Amino acid sequence: DGGITQSPKYLFRKEGQNVTLSCEQNLNHDAMYWYRQDPGQGLRLIYYSQIVNDFQKGDIAEGYSVSREKKESFPLTVTSAQKNPTAFYLCASTHRRPTMNTEAFFGQGTRLTVV
Amino acid sequence: GIQVEQSPPDLILQEGANSTLRCNFSDSVNNLQWFHQNPWGQLINLFYIPSGTKQNGRLSATTVATERYSLLYISSSQTTDSGVYFCAEGSNYKLTFGKGTLLTVNP
Repeated sequence: DGGITQSPKYLFRKEGQNVTLSCEQNLNHDAMYWYRQDPGQGLRLIYYSQIVNDFQKGDIAEGYSVSREKKESFPLTVTSAQKNPTAFYLCASTHRRPTMNTEAFFGQGTRLTVV
Repeated sequence: GIQVEQSPPDLILQEGANSTLRCNFSDSVNNLQWFHQNPWGQLINLFYIPSGTKQNGRLSATTVATERYSLLYISSSQTTDSGVYFCAEGSNYKLTFGKGTLLTVNP
């Protein structure tokens, strides 16, 4: 089945540690995104990538880093510089080319907690 | 960037009631989606609707791009409809989300 897979589902991080969240898609989508959701809030864009080896900062990129070495994969690293990393993280993908349907699809999310 | 406002922020219904959720945009709409976030946090695609009207069972959606709004209709609501409903607008391949409508359907 085509879709987006995020792992792990739950992640616990100690203060000062970097952690990496995985996002893989087999939809042959060009563009991938990372969003953060805090309790009772909407989704805010962290980073996005429209093509392999290229990515752009979203609205809240500070304390995060990404890479896009393969079309299928867009891992997110939450660094120790992120002051309040406890949140729900969602990965999404879309076709990039404007001639194609740009409907976005999301993974199941990763819930990160700082302990 | 574009601003997305959803209303109402909260809505409580009795099972069987109908409801309308609204999404307003600060600029012209390029592409528009409605999602339902289930209790486990996953975003379920409801509609991809840049313009016009679509129906899927008890749910339907209408986007009037020239007037910068979209509506989601839920008819004969069920307890399983409870959750948060988001609209999101896509420009330059980025989705901007509203803050959501928290819907509670009581038996």
